[in-house]
Amino acid sequence: DAMVIQNPRYQVTQFGKPVTLSCSQTLNHNVMYWYQQKSSQAPKLLFHYYDKDFNNEADTPDNFQSRRPNTSFCFLDIRSPGLGDAAMYLCATSRSVTEAFFGQGTRLTVV
Amino acid sequence: TQLLEQSPQFLSIQEGENLTVYCNSSSVFSSLQWYRQEPGEGPVLLVTVVTGGEVKKLKRLTFQFGDARKDSSLHITAAQPGDTGLYLCAGDNTDKLIFGTGTRLQVFP
Repeated sequence: DAMVIQNPRYQVTQFGKPVTLSCSQTLNHNVMYWYQQKSSQAPKLLFHYYDKDFNNEADTPDNFQSRRPNTSFCFLDIRSPGLGDAAMYLCATSRSVTEAFFGQGTRLTVV
Repeated sequence: TQLLEQSPQFLSIQEGENLTVYCNSSSVFSSLQWYRQEPGEGPVLLVTVVTGGEVKKLKRLTFQFGDARKDSSLHITAAQPGDTGLYLCAGDNTDKLIFGTGTRLQVFP
């Protein structure tokens, strides 16, 4: 049974058109992460929630925002996607800072 | 900024060969994890090492945590095509996980 679910698996959006990616978890983990991964590179942390505390990485563009309305759900909002934002977006959860469980990812294409 | 450097970055070998992947940092981590990621999927946890000098085995995979808890290695014996993937180490940094630079392994039949 999937424990970290990302929707959709594939998302195509137009240049500049806002897009939202979603992540839900059934593990009741207090930490949720969003990573960006480009072609065969390692995942790059965009931001994470530790409980309700939002932590933005210093080099995450302002174009990327996140919401966590409750423990189970977390959203990634890209306000004005550019061609360079095309990537796989990975959501992960963990209990405090221990092993991370990843979703299958959302592959974003910007046209 | 804590960095986890992995080497080699790419590795292509024949089935049956042995290999070692290294994960190095100048920082101390209280634990370190190894993940494998296949194309189009999220990373999957292989193992967590916690104690300096710890060695863990998972079938043909052997993981070691450095005595100083700054580095780790993954050794695969008799590699199989099914071992192909992106191998990532990750260390905990107070309130988040830091991933290594990754090693892409290709095992040819």
